Amino acid sequence: DAGITQSPRHKVTETGTPVTLRCHQTENHRYMYWYRQDPGHGLRLIHYSYGVKDTDKGEVSDGYSVSRSKTEDFLLTLESATSSQTSVYFCATQGTSSYEQYFGPGTRLTVT
Amino acid sequence: QQQVKQSPQSLIVQKGGIPIINCAYENTAFDYFPWYQQFPGKGPALLIAIRPDVSEKKEGRFTISFNKSAKQFSLHIMDSQPGDSATYFCVPKGGSQGNLIFGKGTKLSVKP
Repeated sequence: DAGITQSPRHKVTETGTPVTLRCHQTENHRYMYWYRQDPGHGLRLIHYSYGVKDTDKGEVSDGYSVSRSKTEDFLLTLESATSSQTSVYFCATQGTSSYEQYFGPGTRLTVT
Repeated sequence: QQQVKQSPQSLIVQKGGIPIINCAYENTAFDYFPWYQQFPGKGPALLIAIRPDVSEKKEGRFTISFNKSAKQFSLHIMDSQPGDSATYFCVPKGGSQGNLIFGKGTKLSVKP
């Protein structure tokens, strides 16, 4: 699993509350990614980072923000959670090959 | 706009059969054509990848066939086993620092 952990692994929260998901890696990889996975949609990129304090938007970034203050940590924040953000969230890092990403175990988020 | 079209959505084969999963793409700037495998409750993991200047690549029981003119690539699993039961994603990568683009996935079930 390339030393990627995600926390929490499961979370239930109410609409309108802020939520922060954490991704931690021990491989010193430069690139890190946040995806969401929903039935029938595959994985969709939310945000990614190409270095400390360097981030960019992905395909489905609305309603999400990210921060990366250290190489090993990449945080995903839902400023005001909505039911449409109920999903499984995966963090990933990029290895030496540009097409190879290592994924964490995922966080299942339910917004009620 | 759907850049990647993967088919079929689901596939059931008997042990020893040869499931074939297809992927059609539109973006001619893709520079790598990986397949990822995901088991229930886990993050996806790289299975095999091919460059666009190669028409076929084999790794163990897994083969990618690539047809550049038709803008299609496919995954074949020889002598399939129940342990191959998983969801498979075609995930072409955009050129240069481009990101991975996930297909919607094919759920494969190999019956004993």
